[in-house]
Amino acid sequence: GENVEQHPSTLSVQEGDSAVIKCTYSDSASNYFPWYKQELGKRPQLIIDIRSNVGEKKDQRIAVTLNKTAKHFSLHITETQPEDSAVYFCAASPGAGNQFYFGTGTSLTVIP
Amino acid sequence: KAGVTQTPRYLIKTRGQQVTLSCSPISGHRSVSWYQQTPGQGLQFLFEYFSETQRNKGNFPGRFSGRQFSNSRSEMNVSTLELGDSALYLCASSLQDRGLDEQYFGPGTRLTVT
Repeated sequence: GENVEQHPSTLSVQEGDSAVIKCTYSDSASNYFPWYKQELGKRPQLIIDIRSNVGEKKDQRIAVTLNKTAKHFSLHITETQPEDSAVYFCAASPGAGNQFYFGTGTSLTVIP
Repeated sequence: KAGVTQTPRYLIKTRGQQVTLSCSPISGHRSVSWYQQTPGQGLQFLFEYFSETQRNKGNFPGRFSGRQFSNSRSEMNVSTLELGDSALYLCASSLQDRGLDEQYFGPGTRLTVT
């Protein structure tokens, strides 16, 4: 089955700096890659996603890149703000129904 | 639309007991997936139901089971509870069934096994 690895597990940045979180996946059949943000005590919420026919997608301060050949995808957050502090999860879906494989999460802390 | 709801929100059980958790998806969503979330392990897929049929199952023992009703509401059951079953159990619903769309998560049920 699919295996998703996520790095780093913790990340601290100064407010205004950029943050990058990287994930790799193993199943070449995976074709949908969402990123979820989970604030303390809250449910995970989708912040951005990318499909395998797209190399990059951007939404304001958040961007995701996908390299299908290398089987890795990354989340980029620019101009970080304290409210960006949360745990971020990457995921991959082989498209065989709604079975998503999640990374182990990155705890991002933005220092004011 | 109302979001995904889960009941109960908190549960404390003793080893050996069994527990049933409930999930009501967003109206119109027919796919419901269940995940176990533990510190350091992230979210681990348990199973997915679509139109009352289990379509996918993760790598969990047979003590973990589920079902889906005709109104798309889903339940999961854990029998013979073990201490290691303590976790946050999340369900998520999706409109589509091809794994290419957003999953909307419920608030979770925090299960503590003593």
